[in-house]
Amino acid sequence: EDQVTQSPEALRLQEGESSSLNCSYTVSGLRGLFWYRQDPGKGPEFLFTLYSAGEEKEKERLKATLTKKESFLHITAPKPEDSATYLCAVQTGGYQKVTFGTGTKLQVIP
Amino acid sequence: EAGVTQFPSHSVIEKGQTVTLRCDPISGHDNLYWYRRVMGKEIKFLLHFVKESKQDESGMPNNRFLAERTGGTYSTLKVQPAELEDSGVYFCASSQLAGGINEQFFGPGTRLTVL
Repeated sequence: EDQVTQSPEALRLQEGESSSLNCSYTVSGLRGLFWYRQDPGKGPEFLFTLYSAGEEKEKERLKATLTKKESFLHITAPKPEDSATYLCAVQTGGYQKVTFGTGTKLQVIP
Repeated sequence: EAGVTQFPSHSVIEKGQTVTLRCDPISGHDNLYWYRRVMGKEIKFLLHFVKESKQDESGMPNNRFLAERTGGTYSTLKVQPAELEDSGVYFCASSQLAGGINEQFFGPGTRLTVL
């Protein structure tokens, strides 16, 4: 069974303090790894798709990277508006369904 | 362009009652998915429609759950009879492509509370 583990569960940063979130996965036949952002009371908002080891994607202060066993979401000089829960998810095999991790709750303090 | 919409946003029912959740996907998206998050757990897949056909219903917990997608447009998820463990947030998502890897766009969810 596919497993996705995210760490840490919660992270508190000062504004401007860069850090990384980790997503490790144990799956058979990874086809894609997704990062989502979720704000309270809302659905997950798509950020990135990564397809193969070595790939990197960037969006504003966020950069996602992928290896054969894990993915990192790097947050550079975060701002309070980056506060949210960040979810990692994988798509495997011949299926369209996505398997999620439990998320990392990020709080950025001014 | 309108996103995925879900109705209602909240529902509180008694154990044994019936509840029907509705999802309207993004226009033109053939793929529609239902997911559920119970308290403290990760979001889990329930089922996947391609147009009006069920492509994968491996995540449906039991036969108290019935999903339909009329004419390949909106979808409903009925829980009958509801049990306490059905409480959680039910998300709907949609995606455009028929196959391959494609991003799923999520609705805001329906929070279901069974008392």
